[in-house]
Formats: sequence, C-alpha cells, structure tokens
Amino acid sequence: RKEVEQDPGPFNVPEGATVAFNCTYSNSASQSFFWYRQDCRKEPKLLMSVYSSGNEDGRFTAQLNRASQYISLLIRDSKLSDSATYLCVVKAGNQFYFGTGTSLTVIP
Amino acid sequence: GAVVSQHPSRVICKSGTSVKIECRSLDFQATTMFWYRQFPKKSLMLMATSNEGSKATYEQGVEKDKFLINHASLTLSTLTVTSAHPEDSSFYICSARGRTDGSGNTIYFGEGSWLTVV
Repeated sequence: RKEVEQDPGPFNVPEGATVAFNCTYSNSASQSFFWYRQDCRKEPKLLMSVYSSGNEDGRFTAQLNRASQYISLLIRDSKLSDSATYLCVVKAGNQFYFGTGTSLTVIP
Repeated sequence: GAVVSQHPSRVICKSGTSVKIECRSLDFQATTMFWYRQFPKKSLMLMATSNEGSKATYEQGVEKDKFLINHASLTLSTLTVTSAHPEDSSFYICSARGRTDGSGNTIYFGEGSWLTVV
C-alpha cells in the first residue's frame, strides 16, 4: 500500500465551479501535511500547509481528518489560472511522502 | 519564503558523458535535501535523500553508482549523472528541508533541471 494516495484525475471543471481533492495517508503517526501546486514543466510550489483545525486562504480551504486519515483541498470559484497539478505531501518522522498529484483543468 | 536554487536549468549532453546538477539553499540551512526525477505527465519519483555530511540514502531501484549525490555543506547538494544515456533524459528536481519555519517541517523545491542526453 502506498504511503499517500491521490486520485490522479484529470478533473475538468468550468470556470467558477467548486472542486475538491482528497488525499489519503497510511501512517497514523504522520504529523505534518501540505498541498503543493505544480504547473506544467515547473517545480512544485507550496500552496498551503494543512492544520488540524482546517485553514483557509482566499478561495482555498484545506482540511485534515485524522480519524479517517485524509486531507482535502477545496477550491471555490475556480479560475483558469488554477489549472495545474496538486500534490499532497505528508510528513511522518523525518520522511516526506508525496501523492502522485491530481490534475485540474479549469475550462472557460 | 525560502529559496532553493538549482543549476543548470537545462543541459544537453552527449551519451556517455557525466552531468552535474547543483542544488543550493540560498537563505537557510538545509539539513536534508531530496532528489527527484519526473517524466513528462508523470508524478515525482524520489531518487534519494541526503543529509549533510553523510552518504545519501537511495530509493529502491535507483543506482547509486550512476546517480552520485554529494551533500558537502548545509547549503549545497549535487547530483551527478554518470555515463548518461538517452533514457536518463528527464526533469530532475531537488528539494530542501529547512529551518526557516523553526521546525524544519517544510520542504522547498528548486526550479528543476531538464536533462537531455543525445
């Protein structure tokens, strides 16, 4: 079983839509969680950390569910510029584990 | 935010030669650096983890004699692809785990290096 699993998509959504991604992790001792965004042919960039109480940054909301061992990313009012691959990253001990990424395309 | 610089961004080399890629943390000390490769439209694949002053830990299936990693200081790690072949052509990315956030919990990526072996 993979440490971190993500639905690779692709997700194709119209502009203005709300879209949500989930990411499950297998190690219950995982202590830190992140969402990264990777544009085509570019490096991943930190989008937001995920806190236990959930956190919001503009149109983006991240949540953590420890009981079910998943994190989620919600994007409201999707923009064309949101088209990218979204990677979840989970830290357990000194190791960082990456999901395979979820591809999002926002369509005009 | 923290900055990780990777160089060169693009390199073309002849088959059989060696290529060195540098990864530097510019404004923080990177206790741990990671090296990945990524094929087009595929996910990141961790190749190895390196801690400053010690030997890198390679992921299963990654040839340590082919992909030489050196982490000589807290701000620099290098990946050398030895005796490169066309199938080594890929996007190589480094990331560094730093202390700018106090906990060293966050990793920051370099810009990546496109390697083409002809």
